[in-house]
Amino acid sequence: EVQLVESGGGLVKPGGSLRLSCASSGFTFNRFSMSWVRQAPGKGLEWLSSISSSSNFIYDADSVKGRFAISRDNAQNSLYLQMNSLRVEDTAVYYCARGLNSGSYYMDYWGQGIQVTVSS
Amino acid sequence: IQLTQSPSSLSASVGDRVTITCRASQDISSYLAWYQQKPGKAPKLLIYGAFTLQSGVPSRFSGSGSGTEFTLTINSLQPEDFATYYCQQLNKYEFTFGPGTKVDIK
Repeated sequence: EVQLVESGGGLVKPGGSLRLSCASSGFTFNRFSMSWVRQAPGKGLEWLSSISSSSNFIYDADSVKGRFAISRDNAQNSLYLQMNSLRVEDTAVYYCARGLNSGSYYMDYWGQGIQVTVSS
Repeated sequence: IQLTQSPSSLSASVGDRVTITCRASQDISSYLAWYQQKPGKAPKLLIYGAFTLQSGVPSRFSGSGSGTEFTLTINSLQPEDFATYYCQQLNKYEFTFGPGTKVDIK
């Protein structure tokens, strides 16, 4: 069974940093692209960043370029999102998601989401 | 690339046929997906490549369109289909979502 479990969320002050992790199981991690998507309270989905299976290609939303960085460790079957210079408007539930395959970024499996709250 | 969805919300009854439209600000070929999200849950992939039904998704869901205009159709709406639906474009390498369409019970 495919499982994605996010961790590392919580409460952080504006200007602070957090590193989200997404632990995967039930599939061959290094054969799939991965992505991060967030959802602010009462709002829609916002795509943040995607990474190819071998980390050769990384795509970021303009809204987080220069502040957030996606990475992966295929040996650890894990995906990461380093978030710096956090703002109040970054408060959201953050999801990691698996791509359909190594070259596709359609998201077929999602984690349960992790809350990030940015507040003083 | 900007995506718009219409309507933003709709009320329907069980058994109704529902159509949701997603429009892209520029040609995205067929690089469009549809997701369903229920409150407090992660989204679920329904359709990708504009019309390919994801494995395990009931056949009452269908997608069509290409270029800039796309539709998601739900034939014979079921109680479990009341949710919010999002389109997402994956043409250019900024994979934006549409604003969503909430389908609730009439």
